[in-house]
Amino acid sequence: DAKTTQPNSMESNEEEPVHLPCNHSTISGTDYIHWYRQLPSQGPEYVIHGLTSNVNNRMASLAIAEDRKSSTLILHRATLRDAAVYYCILRFSGGGSGTYKYIFGTGTRLKVLA
Amino acid sequence: EPEVTQTPSHQVTQMGQEVILRCVPISNHLYFYWYRQILGQKVEFLVSFYNNEISEKSEIFDDQFSVERPDGSNFTLKIRSTKLEDSAMYFCASSEWAEGAYEQYFGPGTRLTVT
Repeated sequence: DAKTTQPNSMESNEEEPVHLPCNHSTISGTDYIHWYRQLPSQGPEYVIHGLTSNVNNRMASLAIAEDRKSSTLILHRATLRDAAVYYCILRFSGGGSGTYKYIFGTGTRLKVLA
Repeated sequence: EPEVTQTPSHQVTQMGQEVILRCVPISNHLYFYWYRQILGQKVEFLVSFYNNEISEKSEIFDDQFSVERPDGSNFTLKIRSTKLEDSAMYFCASSEWAEGAYEQYFGPGTRLTVT
């Protein structure tokens, strides 16, 4: 199974952009890249996902390298409420149609400084 | 806003006992998942379930584990004979679809403590 590698922790100042990197050098062509975050004492929460092209939504942007071996989650203006563990995840296809596994990375703990 | 619910929030059990963790996924969702998170560690995929059968499972999901959707609304995870190392937070999740990578909605988790 392909896996992801993330820095253990990062810090950002409030109102500044944050770039959270993820390496997934063993990704295969059909693996989607997902990002979820986990606030303290809560279940993970969806942030964004993509396959090949860069993606934007109301929460964040996802920049995917051309060779797909790495990606970067971008929070455009970090707030105190964005302090969480951010997981880079590969969703890869199992044997049959509609069968998928989600492999979480170890996560990056983002600290936002006021 | 619809949400995934899980009961109980905390379960304490003795080693060797059977435990059933319950989840109510979002009503129009078709794919269901269980994950676990040992304290201080990353989230680990256990199993995915679709069309009343297991779609995928990880190497963690051995014969001690089983899942069921008994009545069209609940989704359960059973651990047949609990071990100390089964102590973890267990999260249920559901998604409307899986093709095209729909987002998963996670429940708040059940903390399982095996003594």
